[in-house]
Amino acid sequence: DAGITQSPRYKITETGRQVTLMCHQTWSHSYMFWYRQDLGHGLRLIYYSAAADITDKGEVPDGYVVSRSKTENFPLTLESATRSQTSVYFCASRDYPGELFFGEGSRLTVL
Amino acid sequence: TQLLEQSPQFLSIQEGENLTVYCNSSSVFSSLQWYRQEPGEGPVLLVTVVTGGEVKKLKRLTFQFGDARKDSSLHITAAQPGDTGLYLCAGVGAAGNKLTFGGGTRVLVKP
Repeated sequence: DAGITQSPRYKITETGRQVTLMCHQTWSHSYMFWYRQDLGHGLRLIYYSAAADITDKGEVPDGYVVSRSKTENFPLTLESATRSQTSVYFCASRDYPGELFFGEGSRLTVL
Repeated sequence: TQLLEQSPQFLSIQEGENLTVYCNSSSVFSSLQWYRQEPGEGPVLLVTVVTGGEVKKLKRLTFQFGDARKDSSLHITAAQPGDTGLYLCAGVGAAGNKLTFGGGTRVLVKP
């Protein structure tokens, strides 16, 4: 089915471990985004990508790494997870200048 | 960094009442979008306003973009329990490549 999918939907990890959140879209949208959503902060942009092999920092990039070797995939890696990275992570995609289409979110808990 | 402030943060009303949500910024946006998010899901686009002073209506929802393109409002007439959710405004910058989200307004409509 066409759409944007995230995995895993739920993840519990420990401080210091590496975690990768996956995002896959089937529309061939040029832009892809990673946001985190926390109470009181709304959605904050972590990283975005305008095309394969082109990525740029958002508002809160520290502690995160992204890559985009293929148009349809945009994984987000937490190299050494910290408790402050406990959050709900949303991946989104769009064609310029259209609407953002969001995945269902990945809820990450760092113990 | 362009900031968007939404008010109020939380709104609880009875079915049939009207409500207004505000989205304000000191920055000018090329366009502004409103999204609605339900628990456990990603936000979904409601509307995009582009022109200063523009008013758009979607059934009982009225969206307005300020003349200076710095602020917007969402008005719901005769609210229904199905209107319950988190409403998010998002400003599109001049480059059009990324969106800045407000902190969100949580609306609860009681039957």
